[in-house]
Amino acid sequence: DAGITQSPRYKITETGRQVTLMCHQTWSHSYMFWYRQDLGHGLRLIYYSAAADITDKGEVPDGYVVSRSKTENFPLTLESATRSQTSVYFCASIDGANTGELFFGEGSRLTVL
Amino acid sequence: GENVEQHPSTLSVQEGDSAVIKCTYSDSASNYFPWYKQELGKGPQLIIDIRSNVGEKKDQRIAVTLNKTAKHFSLHITETQPEDSAVYFCAAYPEGYRSGGSYIPTFGRGTSLIVHP
Repeated sequence: DAGITQSPRYKITETGRQVTLMCHQTWSHSYMFWYRQDLGHGLRLIYYSAAADITDKGEVPDGYVVSRSKTENFPLTLESATRSQTSVYFCASIDGANTGELFFGEGSRLTVL
Repeated sequence: GENVEQHPSTLSVQEGDSAVIKCTYSDSASNYFPWYKQELGKGPQLIIDIRSNVGEKKDQRIAVTLNKTAKHFSLHITETQPEDSAVYFCAAYPEGYRSGGSYIPTFGRGTSLIVHP
């Protein structure tokens, strides 16, 4: 199916562990984004990518690492998870050529114990 | 960078009433103003958008208005129904390829709309 998919949808981990959240889109959109959603803060940008091999920091990048070796994949890694990284993470992409509409994945709920 | 303020944070209405959510932005380079609806457990989805060359846009029961001079835009929902209950986000950003800007959306903090039957 065409779209943007995230995995895992739910993850429980412990402080200090490495976690990778996966994001895959089937449209070949140029721009991809990672947001975290916390109560009272809305959607905060962690990292974004304008194309394969081009990534840049957003508003809250500390503690996160991204890569984009292929246009369709944009994984987010928490190298050493902390409790403050407990959140819901959303991946999104933008068409770019035709419209600025953001397409979101269903989210990954991460709990760090 | 862009700063988007959204109010109110919570809005409670009776079914059939109208609901209005307001956003202000700071960067005059922003020319694209979408509204997203997020239902429980799902990712946000675009419901309506407006570009800076238009003052108002309607789609059935929802409408968006834009005042470029005052740098604010609003979402209007008429004849609200229980299925309108959700979190609504506004955003502002330059619509990159055409304007030479960058697709870096800035979101408001969201409004939780509750429609009581």
